[in-house]
Amino acid sequence: SQQGEEDPQALSIQEGENATMNCSYKTSINNLQWYRQNSGRGLVHLILIRSNEREKHSGRLRVTLDTSKKSSSLLITASRAADTASYFCATAYSSASKIIFGSGTRLSIRP
Amino acid sequence: EAQVTQNPRYLITVTGKKLTVTCSQNMNHEYMSWYRQDPGLGLRQIYYSMNVEVTDKGDVPEGYKVSRKEKRNFPLILESPSPNQTSLYFCASSPHLGQSANADTQYFGPGTRLTVL
Repeated sequence: SQQGEEDPQALSIQEGENATMNCSYKTSINNLQWYRQNSGRGLVHLILIRSNEREKHSGRLRVTLDTSKKSSSLLITASRAADTASYFCATAYSSASKIIFGSGTRLSIRP
Repeated sequence: EAQVTQNPRYLITVTGKKLTVTCSQNMNHEYMSWYRQDPGLGLRQIYYSMNVEVTDKGDVPEGYKVSRKEKRNFPLILESPSPNQTSLYFCASSPHLGQSANADTQYFGPGTRLTVL
């Protein structure tokens, strides 16, 4: 079963705007990661946030984690055409090394 | 160059004909994993391995086998492929250490697109 559920499934915004996507999960986690995938290619790691962290930044990316609500959000600021891709969250269980991916958010940036 | 390689990249086969998809990483990573990706379902973990000779089932292991005889290689075996195994397959590795540690950042291979007729 899918642990990570992402919202929205698809998002289309104007270049320069900010994009926010959310991920919810069901059980306790050790860490949560966000990945990007360009059409049919391998996934590229963007950022990892551990369960004892609340917010993390990397360039134009900002990730938050709320363990009480079992949710995370990824914010991409000042979006560019090159940000067009699918974005996935992935959670690592606290007590095992299974990795669960969400179904992803398809982000389209309009010029 | 640090990378995860998969072969073949594309494969069309017929039901019941055994096949192996190879995965190799040159980063001395301990953790390796196989995923399948299907439209609308995201990535689902098939099997993972925390070290040589240590493998465990993911969420969708039925119909697949793996082995981890060497640290760098983690082949995926389909003994008797069926059409419902038509999918895009990804291998990934990560450097985490320790039997109780969780996987950290994963590095993905380019994918293998498998069609079973």
